[in-house]
Amino acid sequence: SAVISQKPSRDICQRGTSLTIQCQVDSQVTMMFWYRQQPGQSLTLIATANQGSEATYESGFVIDKFPISRPNLTFSTLTVSNMSPEDSSIYLCSVLPGGEGDTQYFGPGTRLTVL
Amino acid sequence: AQTVTQSQPEMSVQEAETVTLSCTYDTSESDYYLFWYKQPPSRQMILVIRQEAYKQQNATENRFSVNFQKAAKSFSLKISDSQLGDAAMYFCAYRRYSGGGADGLTFGKGTHLIIQP
Repeated sequence: SAVISQKPSRDICQRGTSLTIQCQVDSQVTMMFWYRQQPGQSLTLIATANQGSEATYESGFVIDKFPISRPNLTFSTLTVSNMSPEDSSIYLCSVLPGGEGDTQYFGPGTRLTVL
Repeated sequence: AQTVTQSQPEMSVQEAETVTLSCTYDTSESDYYLFWYKQPPSRQMILVIRQEAYKQQNATENRFSVNFQKAAKSFSLKISDSQLGDAAMYFCAYRRYSGGGADGLTFGKGTHLIIQP
């Protein structure tokens, strides 16, 4: 298994500003992902964080809005840029420790409110 | 694109009884993985059970079992002897086999499970 921590756990931000969310895993993992869960909704994959290269974004998500870094096998950041109230969501980091056949674990999430 | 459908927005069951949550999916792939995750009010996503599509035998984890019907693209979750701690949102999820890397999960909209004491 993998223990995942996220910082901050919650934040309230003003529109037009940016917030960087950190995801730290207690062991090296093969794959890291970022998801968004809008209020009362399901989870939607934002992107796959690739170590040492640009993230792979899903349809509807762009790098300018959600820049992602993954400098090593245990850490990743997601930035929500130029925020608007529509960005108010829970953002979750998720990992696949051993690759494709493994179980995917989730962090506790970051609850973001944009005023 | 793959889609996952959970047709029951909310289910209610008496404590100690059995409940079944439905999930159907659409895919053109033959190899994939299916999952049920639980999200209590704490919002922590917890894996309940997983099924590999190539396995004919239905997965079981203690009080949780699945009915996997590959031809029908159906993947229901049965919870036996329901307990108050089972109250949560339950999400069905799909991940295709990509033969090297790994895709993220595609989730259904979720079923809110209420346990009546």
